[in-house]
Amino acid sequence: DAGVIQSPRHEVTEMGQEVTLRCKPISGHNSLFWYRQTMMRGLELLIYFNNNVPIDDSGMPEDRFSAKMPNASFSTLKIQPSEPRDSAVYFCASSLYGMGQDTGNTIYFGEGSWLTVV
Amino acid sequence: GNSVTQMEGPVTLSEEAFLTINCTYTATGYPSLFWYVQYPGEGLQLLLKATKADDKGSNKGFEATYRKETTSFHLEKGSVQVSDSAVYFCALTRGNQGGKLIFGQGTELSVKP
Repeated sequence: DAGVIQSPRHEVTEMGQEVTLRCKPISGHNSLFWYRQTMMRGLELLIYFNNNVPIDDSGMPEDRFSAKMPNASFSTLKIQPSEPRDSAVYFCASSLYGMGQDTGNTIYFGEGSWLTVV
Repeated sequence: GNSVTQMEGPVTLSEEAFLTINCTYTATGYPSLFWYVQYPGEGLQLLLKATKADDKGSNKGFEATYRKETTSFHLEKGSVQVSDSAVYFCALTRGNQGGKLIFGQGTELSVKP
């Protein structure tokens, strides 16, 4: 089975440019997560969706960041305008989640999008 | 709030040494606990998990036991290999928080031949 698929794997862009990161979750999963990984802050949850609806976006750093999930098989994370401090690895992850239960459902991660803003 | 604390790295061991990476958590109720591993240049992979107290998760020679009395989930391996060199993350989820993972800061393991 295909895992979580992210694109692009690597992106180098100039400050001020728009960046769009894409994610295809595992088929049948109903929860999708965007994480950011940096040396300074470790792994941070930016936003997560359940059944395509954003549930918690409190981790989105500022208005320059936006995320959408137009259908169950696709999500985007946009940064506009990008800044050098946005340089990080952005991970998309998905799971099959049973609401209200600690089912221990595994969250599967993509390979990450390695973003460098110069 | 919910949180996870791991021992700081890097941890450097010789091949075939015994490994322990400490992990403690703070959470209300009964979280599920996980260990993820990240090899250089790659994403995170689930290593093992436990969903209730006294459960033991195990995989690839690694194991961890869910200890509610000490709120711990320490990772152990009896004999590490060079190929185990990676960053290890302890994490938890709570059912009333949409299944999102809360991660510890990660512990880098380097195994020398």
